[in-house]
Amino acid sequence: GAGVSQSPSNKVTEKGKDVELRCDPISGHTALYWYRQSLGQGLEFLIYFQGNSAPDKSGLPSDRFSAERTGGSVSTLTIQRTQQEDSAVYLCASSPPGQETQYFGPGTRLLVL
Amino acid sequence: AQSVTQLDSQVPVFEEAPVELRCNYSSSVSVYLFWYVQYPNQGLQLLLKYLSGSTLVKGINGFEAEFNKSQTSFHLRKPSVHISDTAEYFCAVSLNTGNQFYFGTGTSLTVIP
Repeated sequence: GAGVSQSPSNKVTEKGKDVELRCDPISGHTALYWYRQSLGQGLEFLIYFQGNSAPDKSGLPSDRFSAERTGGSVSTLTIQRTQQEDSAVYLCASSPPGQETQYFGPGTRLLVL
Repeated sequence: AQSVTQLDSQVPVFEEAPVELRCNYSSSVSVYLFWYVQYPNQGLQLLLKYLSGSTLVKGINGFEAEFNKSQTSFHLRKPSVHISDTAEYFCAVSLNTGNQFYFGTGTSLTVIP
């Protein structure tokens, strides 16, 4: 079946611009995660959605970062007033109900000039 | 607080030689343990996981890992590596009471012909 998809695959933007990154989880998966992977770093947790519950936003690095999940499916991660240090690969993952395994998308590579 | 340590950032190994990638974690509560692999220009995929039961876990592509509670370790091993095993390997833990995951910084495995 279809896996987690993310778009765009690559995004180049200028410092100060806003960007939106999209994640389509696997159908039926109730949990959705966003991570940031910087060069030479591990995965940094950003935000977690589980069903209709309030999201866990504890990993968002600043108020320039926000995310929403519409209808319990598609999620959008928005970065406002991008900075060069925001350059990274942004990964989305989803999990089915009652399971711990995450299924990752291919990521969006963001470059802020 | 939970954390995951992968002490070896890079591991070069000759083809058909054995390999061990080390992972240690710290947690005051029970955890689930995972190894993920990221092949060049691809997303992360699950290699294996430990949830409960036997401490020796077998995964895909001939990899296995052993959970050692007293040493808080979950080292990944393979008796004979192939060129195709060249990839980045990430250890991760999650609390069995929730869904937040903590990832190590990764180990880059390079198999030398």
